[in-house]
Amino acid sequence: GAGVSQSPRYKVTKRGQDVALRCDPISGHVSLYWYRQALGQGPEFLTYFNYEAQQDKSGLPNDRFSAERPEGSISTLTIQRTEQRDSAMYRCASSLINSGYTFGSGTRLTVV
Amino acid sequence: AQSVTQLGSHVSVSEGALVLLRCNYSSSVPPYLFWYVQYPNQGLQLLLKYTSAATLVKGINGFEAEFKKSETSFHLTKPSAHMSDAAEYFCAVSDDAGSNYKLTFGKGTLLTVNP
Repeated sequence: GAGVSQSPRYKVTKRGQDVALRCDPISGHVSLYWYRQALGQGPEFLTYFNYEAQQDKSGLPNDRFSAERPEGSISTLTIQRTEQRDSAMYRCASSLINSGYTFGSGTRLTVV
Repeated sequence: AQSVTQLGSHVSVSEGALVLLRCNYSSSVPPYLFWYVQYPNQGLQLLLKYTSAATLVKGINGFEAEFKKSETSFHLTKPSAHMSDAAEYFCAVSDDAGSNYKLTFGKGTLLTVNP
């Protein structure tokens, strides 16, 4: 597509539920990144992929968070047993290798 | 570890006035430095980046930034503010000088432009 598409734009979930956030990168972009942005803060790195391989997951806060990109295109960030502290804007970006990012508009997750 | 400090969470200027948004970084290696802008309900958009070439970097929408190694700074400027510049601005540093895959962002500066 023309840009990085994230869905849903807004997600409200109850504490303890699992959520899946989707990112559809720009066609042909090899690298895909996930960031999390809390209110009043800058984005914080979560994980990144080159093609289907997860290259770095050092930013995932705990084992409730996981991400996959099985065919090297669309990626899903899954949060299991959500907690209120997981509420944030989740941002996806994609790029060519060693090139500038293009960010999506994000998914606003609210855990109630 | 890399870190970024943006001085001033909120900057307010008059239309036509100079815009100066401050960014200082810490890095143990020559850094790659970036400025991103975020308009309401949109994704972050790259304004400009420094990658060890010219120290004065020109970006989109009339913005520029100067890398000053001695001051570990990368301040963003624009000579004359426009109403459309109102947005949140983020400075970021790469964790790896050989790649920009992992960025450390500052907390952001909200720019307000008054008529």
